[in-house]
Amino acid sequence: EAQVTQNPRYLITVTGKKLTVTCSQNMNHEYMSWYRQDPGLGLRQIYYSMNVEVTDKGDVPEGYKVSRKEKRNFPLILESPSPNQTSLYFCASSRGDSTRNTQYFGPGTRLTVL
Amino acid sequence: AQSVTQPDIHITVSEGASLELRCNYSYGATPYLFWYVQSPGQGLQLLLKYFSGDTLVQGIKGFEAEFKRSQSSFNLRKPSVHWSDAAEYFCAVGAAGANNLFFGTGTRLTVIP
Repeated sequence: EAQVTQNPRYLITVTGKKLTVTCSQNMNHEYMSWYRQDPGLGLRQIYYSMNVEVTDKGDVPEGYKVSRKEKRNFPLILESPSPNQTSLYFCASSRGDSTRNTQYFGPGTRLTVL
Repeated sequence: AQSVTQPDIHITVSEGASLELRCNYSYGATPYLFWYVQSPGQGLQLLLKYFSGDTLVQGIKGFEAEFKRSQSSFNLRKPSVHWSDAAEYFCAVGAAGANNLFFGTGTRLTVIP
């Protein structure tokens, strides 16, 4: 089954404790992206990757890191989480680099930073 | 600047009634337009998309949307709503050669029996 998986689905942590949210897709997609969803703000892009070893900032990259060492994986790293990073996070992937291509979304990771 | 406006935060309709969700966009280039649905606890699923051609596009689950360039709108419609349509709906805009989709803030749909 074609899918985007994220782990963990739920995470409660404390300020300053480094964490990683994993994202994996099995569709051989070149493009992957991270979004955060906040009430009243919709989804905002954090980082995206056009292919292996190619990443770039989205609209709200501060406080986040990413890496793309393998085509299927695109982890999101919070080196020192803060309460304002409490949010619902979505990973997405699509074929190629055009917005014409449908983005497939993971189920989301709900992060709470205390 | 790019932006997407969904003026209705929450809409309640009766099962079997018709539905229209509004979306207005502001985009400098020719827009690609999308509607996504998010069921509770789920990720986003693409309902339909418009790139060019016929301005009335059909999607999954009986939804359709109409692109009106003069009004910068891309409203989503369904003639008869089912209880399973209760979800949050997001309009999004992108463009050729761009790497990002800009999402609206969403409209939450409640369906009453």
